[in-house]
Amino acid sequence: DQQVKQNSPSLSVQEGRISILNCDYTNSMFDYFLWYKKYPAEGPTFLISISSIKDKNEDGRFTVFLNKSAKHLSLHIVPSQPGDSAVYFCAGNTDKLIFGTGTRLQVFP
Amino acid sequence: NAGVMQNPRHLVRRRGQEARLRCSPMKGHSHVYWYRQLPEEGLKFMVYLQKENIIDESGMPKERFSAEFPKEGPSILRIQQVVRGDSAAYFCASSPWDSYNTGELFFGEGSRLTVL
Repeated sequence: DQQVKQNSPSLSVQEGRISILNCDYTNSMFDYFLWYKKYPAEGPTFLISISSIKDKNEDGRFTVFLNKSAKHLSLHIVPSQPGDSAVYFCAGNTDKLIFGTGTRLQVFP
Repeated sequence: NAGVMQNPRHLVRRRGQEARLRCSPMKGHSHVYWYRQLPEEGLKFMVYLQKENIIDESGMPKERFSAEFPKEGPSILRIQQVVRGDSAAYFCASSPWDSYNTGELFFGEGSRLTVL
């Protein structure tokens, strides 16, 4: 039972453009959604979150959008930078974090 | 370094041996979570512990795996009689809050177990 799905395993974007990473979920009990970023051989690091009662949260170049009726959230990165190249995981929270399978973002010059 | 500390970073075991992975949470954090990442997969929840208590072990395999978080010392994830399918990266995370808060966890760099 995969409660959080990231259907795009990879994404390639040119530097300066917008990166849009998508995530779908099935569990209506999630009260928070979080995005984590992970570099190879390192642990995930928290990026941004959104409460289930909000539809948008912005932090610098990162914006997360939540569409509860569609059970869909997305992470927008603009402008994208080469240092953003990493694997991005979305997660839903009830009493623990449930992660998606990740999307590998590559930002090229 | 005030982050979540995991050791060893890399561990090689032969089939049938035991693996012990240790995690020291961030200072002031009393909640510890263990996650497993199999090759080419996402992070799978294993267990949530508070000091001396297992709160949620719904993600732990029924056999060979155990976890503890004693009053003193690090949290330990123990895998007995390892098999090749146990080869994975094991991540520990800690939190200062009750898990019903925002859910933000602070992760260690992981322990990579290879079973020969």
